[in-house]
Amino acid sequence: GESVGLHLPTLSVQEGDNSIINCAYSNSASDYFIWYKQESGKGPQFIIDIRSNMDKRQGQRVTVLLNKTVKHLSLQIAATQPGDSAVYFCAENTGTASKLTFGTGTRLQVTL
Amino acid sequence: KAGVTQTPRYLIKTRGQQVTLSCSPISGHRSVSWYQQTPGQGLQFLFEYFSETQRNKGNFPGRFSGRQFSNSRSEMNVSTLELGDSALYLCASRLAGGYNEQFFGPGTRLTVL
Repeated sequence: GESVGLHLPTLSVQEGDNSIINCAYSNSASDYFIWYKQESGKGPQFIIDIRSNMDKRQGQRVTVLLNKTVKHLSLQIAATQPGDSAVYFCAENTGTASKLTFGTGTRLQVTL
Repeated sequence: KAGVTQTPRYLIKTRGQQVTLSCSPISGHRSVSWYQQTPGQGLQFLFEYFSETQRNKGNFPGRFSGRQFSNSRSEMNVSTLELGDSALYLCASRLAGGYNEQFFGPGTRLTVL
């Protein structure tokens, strides 16, 4: 079933290209940031996280960059695949609390 | 290891009714959080429970409540349903303490008519 907003910004990328999804966060006190992927009809799925004492973290095909000066977060996906098509959310929180504040999301469409 | 499970997956109610949603966290996870997802407001934090106690609460009216049982399973209740309560309700669990990721369930799609 439909689980995400109808008017999300959309990024269209050709299969095999790299994708960059950006996010501006609001709370300068936030010290933990997470990227989630949400496919239609499913809950958000953890991709990668980063703490504020780092400015870059790499995972498998994904890299998260954090710029605390301008409160900006980005997710880079290398060699984008059709299975990467989904809505991507950044989330922030403060300390070890569970309360996550989510961004509005970006829809990634991978074209063949 | 089984993931977070939520029941029911879909629910249709009418205005004024109440509803109870259930969440079973990943085994060993003692923290359970609830979120509401709508097209207009996105994902918003409702509350968090840990060791049967509400530890954190978002900006929702008192019609939204929850509880947690000794086995960490959690329920949320919405009373006097309004049309605007139609949403996907997501439950997430995590290990308590530290910078631990939250694992989300598939959600319960609530439609209020």
